[in-house]
Amino acid sequence: KNQVEQSPQSLIILEGKNCTLQCNYTVSPFSNLRWYKQDTGRGPVSLTIMTFSENTKSNGRYTATLDADTKQSSLHITASQLSDSASYICVVSAQSNYQLIWGAGTKLIIKP
Amino acid sequence: KAGVTQTPRYLIKTRGQQVTLSCSPISGHRSVSWYQQTPGQGLQFLFEYFSETQRNKGNFPGRFSGRQFSNSRSEMNVSTLELGDSALYLCASSGNSGGPQETQYFGPGTRLLVL
Repeated sequence: KNQVEQSPQSLIILEGKNCTLQCNYTVSPFSNLRWYKQDTGRGPVSLTIMTFSENTKSNGRYTATLDADTKQSSLHITASQLSDSASYICVVSAQSNYQLIWGAGTKLIIKP
Repeated sequence: KAGVTQTPRYLIKTRGQQVTLSCSPISGHRSVSWYQQTPGQGLQFLFEYFSETQRNKGNFPGRFSGRQFSNSRSEMNVSTLELGDSALYLCASSGNSGGPQETQYFGPGTRLLVL
């Protein structure tokens, strides 16, 4: 069964600190993996999208990594800011049918 | 370019009623997907339309239906509303090919409350 699991479920860190969010998936055949940021009450916004051949991609203070062999991805946030408080969702696309499999997300809270 | 727009933004209905939600994708986008999001849950995929045809469907009952018009605008209909249908309904559009490499752009959502 195609699944995407994220950890931790929630995370609280102090402003200025770094953090890493994890995503494990069992989707096959794999097409690509995306990370989204969703502010409360709003639609998700794309941060990165990575294909099988890419193992790292950055977007400002966000860096995503992908290990297609172990089927794991991480999202690293550097020098966190209060505006980083949001849910971060990992999404994996199956090659066969364009369908996206969504993780439940990690709720990140940045405290001043 | 204007972003994805959804109407209405908020809606209150009672059990047994039906509701229609509307989504206008980014100009030029041909793929429109619909999602349901309940508190504490990930996004649950409802269906995807591409060039007026339903290309993918999630595991929702037949009470949930949709359609797409020739201008790519899409509507989602829920009949015989249940309390558990209370959720944020999100619409997302993606580019010209609508393929798995395309980035999805989300609208602000329609928050539905069923009493």
